[in-house]
Amino acid sequence: EAGVVQSPRYKIIEKKQPVAFWCNPISGHNTLYWYLQNLGQGPELLIRYENEEAVDDSQLPKDRFSAERLKGVDSTLKIQPAELGDSAVYLCASSGPGHHNEQFFGPGTRLTVL
Amino acid sequence: AQSVAQPEDQVNVAEGNPLTVKCTYSVSGNPYLFWYVQYPNRGLQFLLKYITGDNLVKGSYGFEAEFNKSQTSFHLKKPSALVSDSALYFCAVRDGGNTPLVFGKGTRLSVIA
Repeated sequence: EAGVVQSPRYKIIEKKQPVAFWCNPISGHNTLYWYLQNLGQGPELLIRYENEEAVDDSQLPKDRFSAERLKGVDSTLKIQPAELGDSAVYLCASSGPGHHNEQFFGPGTRLTVL
Repeated sequence: AQSVAQPEDQVNVAEGNPLTVKCTYSVSGNPYLFWYVQYPNRGLQFLLKYITGDNLVKGSYGFEAEFNKSQTSFHLKKPSALVSDSALYFCAVRDGGNTPLVFGKGTRLSVIA
C-alpha cells in the first residue's frame, strides 16, 4: 500500500515569492491534515479536511496561506507571498474514519525562504 | 485545551540497556495518546497508541508504553535499546472528542554502541 505522497521534497525560494505544496493521502483516507514543523519542535496543525470540507483551519494564517482539497482526495497548500519565517517543514498526514485512528505522515516538504 | 510535555530534550542510553522516554499530558476529557518516531528527513511514523483498555500498550519495533492516569503520564519504553532506535520521538494527545492531535516538542534518543 502506498503511503502519503508529498511533493516537492525540498523547495528554496526568495521572500515574497509564491510557493505550493502537494499531498496525495493514502487511498480511502477521508481525513487530511497539513502540519507545520519548525526545527526542534513538534508538528503544529495548520488545517484539517474531512473529505473536501475544511473542518479546522483556526491555525492557518489566512492572510498568506491557503489550501484546497477540491475532490476530497489530494490537496494543495499555498503560501503567497512567502516570508523568511515560513522556512520550515510542511507535513501532510491522513487518517481513516474514526476519532482514534492514527495519522499516517508523508515525508514532508522542507521550505527554505531566502 | 490539551497539552503534552516531554521533559527531556535528549536521552542517551547504551545499546542493550532499557530505555524510557517520558511524556506527561493534560486533557479535559478522556485522553487518546500516541507515540511517533521521526528519522532524519523522514515523516513521522506511528509506533503505538492508547485509547482504552490495558494500561500497557505494545507497539512496533519492540516498543511499549504505560498509561498512568493518576500521574497523567504515557512513558515510552523498550527493554533493550538498539543503535537503530536513535531518532526523534514525539508524544501526542487528543481528548475523546473530535479535536486536533497535539504534539510534544520531541525527545532525541541516542543509543550508543
